Amino acid sequence: QVQLQESGPGLVKASQTLSLTCTVSGDSIRTGKYYWSWIRQPAGKELEWIGRIFGSGSANYNPSLRSRVTMSIDTSKNQFSLNLNSVTAADTAMYFCASGGWDLPLGSWGQGILVTVSS
Amino acid sequence: IVLTQSPGTLSLSPGERATLSCRASRNVSSTYFAWYQQKPGQAPRLLIYGASNRAIGVSDRFGVSGSGSDFTLTISGLEPEDFAVYYCHQFGNSLRTFGQGTKIEI
Repeated sequence: QVQLQESGPGLVKASQTLSLTCTVSGDSIRTGKYYWSWIRQPAGKELEWIGRIFGSGSANYNPSLRSRVTMSIDTSKNQFSLNLNSVTAADTAMYFCASGGWDLPLGSWGQGILVTVSS
Repeated sequence: IVLTQSPGTLSLSPGERATLSCRASRNVSSTYFAWYQQKPGQAPRLLIYGASNRAIGVSDRFGVSGSGSDFTLTISGLEPEDFAVYYCHQFGNSLRTFGQGTKIEI
């Protein structure tokens, strides 16, 4: 299984863009064996699937966030990223990156990174 | 696909059996259904998916059943480490969703 580690600022100002990176180890991100996802969880609340991206760069997003979300892949660094623009306090959450094999659920997760949106 | 879990909280004792339910707003193939366990301060951990595929290291005390739109996770003989929040998850289409969670408390 791959190992994942999130990184990025823990504090973002309202109306700005939240940018997070997930570094993958244990396999190449460009392999077609996996898909790469972001999930978030406000404190004390449920998991929310943000979207997923493949090594090819094609992506699917949660319709509720689609207008503000972009995911990308950097094969040279074995990383994938999340950009969420026009953030508000409602975007304050623990953000997890995760991966799953083809036709399999998310089996590998990062430890998560807490992002707080300040006014 | 909206996933609705019940109950929200289960109060049980060690050694008892836990039955958690998840209802989907439309049919999902059991092949693309999974359950996760999450403990405070930790990332979710994949427990079991599909017909009864347990993730590495997961006890056979965890079992699943169901089809169509109704799915069940059963934990036989609760151990102290089983007290946690459990989420159902469908990965059957390009837009994945999670249930809102069931907390098993002592």
